[in-house]
Amino acid sequence: GAGVSQSPSNKVTEKGKDVELRCDPISGHTALYWYRQSLGQGLEFLIYFQGNSAPDKSGLPSDRFSAERTGGSVSTLTIQRTQQEDSAVYLCASSLDGGGASPDTQYFGPGTRLTVL
Amino acid sequence: QKEVEQNSGPLSVPEGAIASLNCTYSDRGSQSFFWYRQYSGKSPELIMSIYSNGDKEDGRFTAQLNKASQYVSLLIRDSQPSDSATYLCAVPPPNFGNEKLTFGTGTRLTIIP
Repeated sequence: GAGVSQSPSNKVTEKGKDVELRCDPISGHTALYWYRQSLGQGLEFLIYFQGNSAPDKSGLPSDRFSAERTGGSVSTLTIQRTQQEDSAVYLCASSLDGGGASPDTQYFGPGTRLTVL
Repeated sequence: QKEVEQNSGPLSVPEGAIASLNCTYSDRGSQSFFWYRQYSGKSPELIMSIYSNGDKEDGRFTAQLNKASQYVSLLIRDSQPSDSATYLCAVPPPNFGNEKLTFGTGTRLTIIP
């Protein structure tokens, strides 16, 4: 079946602009995660959704970052007033349950490469 | 101390040899451990998971876990050029209900033909 999809694949924006990144998880997956991967920082957790709720937002780097998930499916990560340090690859992952007796496999999307000029 | 540590490499291994990748973690309560492979410009893909002390084998891959030493490793036997990638060690929190992964910075592996 279809995997996790993300759009756009690339986004170039000017400093100070707002951007929206979209993630379509695997159908039926209730858990959804956003991560960021930048040079020198590795892959870091941003936010976790279980259904439409976000019980863990601890990785969001500032209040310029927000995310929502609707219908237990599509999620949008919004970055307001972008800064150059926001440049990174933003990865979305989904898993079947996210809270069972043993960890589920997280399947990653192809990512959105964000460049802030 | 970082929560999950890996040698960043690069690690170069001749084709056909065994590649050994290492990872240490700081939370003694950690129960689950994952190895992801990431090709350049691609997203991570899970190749091994391990939950119990000892070895777990899957084809050419063997994961080894030693909870007392807080150490998990990945061995790749009969290394192939297609194994050239960055290998990421990932650990979720010990409590259930949130499986956000903490990743090491990855080890870049190059298999030399």
